[in-house]
Amino acid sequence: GAVVSQHPSWVICKSGTSVKIECRSLDFQATTMFWYRQFPKQSLMLMATSNEGSKATYEQGVEKDKFLINHASLTLSTLTVTSAHPEDSSFYICSARDKSGSYNEQFFGPGTRLTVL
Amino acid sequence: LAKTTQPISMDSYEGQEVNITCSHNNIATNDYITWYQQFPSQGPRFIIQGYKTKVTNEVASLFIPADRKSSTLSLPRVSLSDTAVYYCLLRKGSGYALNFGKGTSLLVTP
Repeated sequence: GAVVSQHPSWVICKSGTSVKIECRSLDFQATTMFWYRQFPKQSLMLMATSNEGSKATYEQGVEKDKFLINHASLTLSTLTVTSAHPEDSSFYICSARDKSGSYNEQFFGPGTRLTVL
Repeated sequence: LAKTTQPISMDSYEGQEVNITCSHNNIATNDYITWYQQFPSQGPRFIIQGYKTKVTNEVASLFIPADRKSSTLSLPRVSLSDTAVYYCLLRKGSGYALNFGKGTSLLVTP
């Protein structure tokens, strides 16, 4: 099946710094990628939808200036958490839609654990 | 997106069949019923999807009644490694966004 990777798998940073998370579709082209956030014991919350070559669409309540999303190619989307604070500590998961797949389904990355000290 | 309701948790012994039911009373005509599995600290993994009647693959079966207001994920002969959270979602046929509910936390014990 289609594979989506994320890098790094975990990161620890100091409060006030910025962190970039990469999401790659390894064996398919993804015109659309999605970013989710998951706090402990909670479900995934959609943060934004990223379309290749255009600006991301953010969900209500998600600050676009804090969570910068870039989708410059058909296989790579990045999420940058700017001026991170402890409350941004979470599990960030990306997914990519395989347009050519039979179910038009989303494939999820393994997630990135962000801890802000 | 229409909302889904499923049990918060379920327990089972190894080797048993587990059925997880999901309610989706406001399902739309173009909604597909999709189930994902998530292990701790991992991204969700697609299990099965269907529109009506019954769908079966190598890991699960999905039963959907004629009114489509509910669905049942059936896991045959579960093992310890099936301990995970199972999410029932409705996906638009041509849409993209997935709305994850709370999911069902399944615990399989020896």
